[in-house]
Amino acid sequence: GENVEQHPSTLSVQEGDSAVIKCTYSDSASNYFPWYKQELGKRPQLIIDIRSNVGEKKDQRIAVTLNKTAKHFSLHITETQPEDSAVYFCAASRGRDDKIIFGKGTRLHILP
Amino acid sequence: EAQVTQNPRYLITVTGKKLTVTCSQNMNHEYMSWYRQDPGLGLRQIYYSMNVEVTDKGDVPEGYKVSRKEKRNFPLILESPSPNQTSLYFCASRPQDRDGEQYFGPGTRLTVT
Repeated sequence: GENVEQHPSTLSVQEGDSAVIKCTYSDSASNYFPWYKQELGKRPQLIIDIRSNVGEKKDQRIAVTLNKTAKHFSLHITETQPEDSAVYFCAASRGRDDKIIFGKGTRLHILP
Repeated sequence: EAQVTQNPRYLITVTGKKLTVTCSQNMNHEYMSWYRQDPGLGLRQIYYSMNVEVTDKGDVPEGYKVSRKEKRNFPLILESPSPNQTSLYFCASRPQDRDGEQYFGPGTRLTVT
């Protein structure tokens, strides 16, 4: 079945440095790739998403890149801050009428 | 205020005792979905619904039922709960005409002993 692999499972970076989280997907028909952030004890919230007709998308300190040929996509956070500490989930979907598959999550620690 | 609500927020029950977790949204969203979150396994989709009277299995539907009789409500039913259904459950919704942001409810922590 469809699968989304996410790495690393845990990531520690110094405040101010960059963080990169990578995901690969198995279903070549996937065309929508969101990223969710979940702070401790809270619900997941969308932080950025990308569709298959775009290779890169940026929103301030956050960017996502997509390589359809290799079936992988990545989240990049620059100039990390303490409030970036959270669990991040990638996901893949064929679109609005289909189910969505999440990765297992990456726990990001921002070190002072 | 636009929101997704779930009840109860916390529930401890025993094996085999039927239970229902309610989910309601006030945003007129067509698409609603249930997930379970377990340590090391991330979010796994249980069931989703694209509109009233339309439901589909997600990745882990075994042991669960859902119904969608009204647009705003999407209850999750565990007919005979077992300890392996102990988990954190999230309901979510979004408009059907977009594959974009899902709005998650606050979560329901279920313990089955």
